[in-house]
Amino acid sequence: GDKVKQSPSALSLQEGTNSALRCNFSIAATTVQWFLQNPRGSLMNLFYLVPGTKENGRLKSAFDSKESYSTLHIRDAQLEDSGTYFCAAGANSAGNKLTFGIGTRVLVRP
Amino acid sequence: DPKIIQKPKYLVAVTGSEKILICEQYLGHNAMYWYRQSAKKPLEFMFSYSYQKLMDNQTASSRFQPQSSKKNHLDLQITALKPDDSATYFCASSQTGQDTQYFGPGTRLLVL
Repeated sequence: GDKVKQSPSALSLQEGTNSALRCNFSIAATTVQWFLQNPRGSLMNLFYLVPGTKENGRLKSAFDSKESYSTLHIRDAQLEDSGTYFCAAGANSAGNKLTFGIGTRVLVRP
Repeated sequence: DPKIIQKPKYLVAVTGSEKILICEQYLGHNAMYWYRQSAKKPLEFMFSYSYQKLMDNQTASSRFQPQSSKKNHLDLQITALKPDDSATYFCASSQTGQDTQYFGPGTRLLVL
């Protein structure tokens, strides 16, 4: 099964509204990274998390390693927030590989 | 200025040929990685290097060989190319190998 399950798979948001994305892990994640992939394909870092929360502007993310999930909240969505959001679990391994979810495609409508 | 350079941006190859994907990072990082993104699949970890030493290899096929000539370079040689190898290949780097990974712009490979 999926080691990193992201939900929802797609989301359409009115500009100015709020939403939340979620990742559930079936592997022992010790860290989480969130990325935004823009329509040109570039992957932009949003957050690197150990268990806890972080906030950056209109984005807020939380990671609960005991309950094996992470969330990303988007507040006051803007058109430039459109793209595909990926979460990735990091494990305490020698290579520190990231295991990615399939992504949530977000479209912000004017 | 881009801090992680991948070359070429696009690559078309014929089945059976060999190609090298280039990655250079100018972030002063000690760890580098390769990931692959195929259609309808999650980004998939391939290799990680730390101080030019292989740390993890999750690629079953020996047709994929990373090459690190300098600490800030990690190229990917792919031999005997197959159409299934068509994907976008991302290089990434991190400072210590246990922290934030930053991704390059990717090389989009199409094998015909």
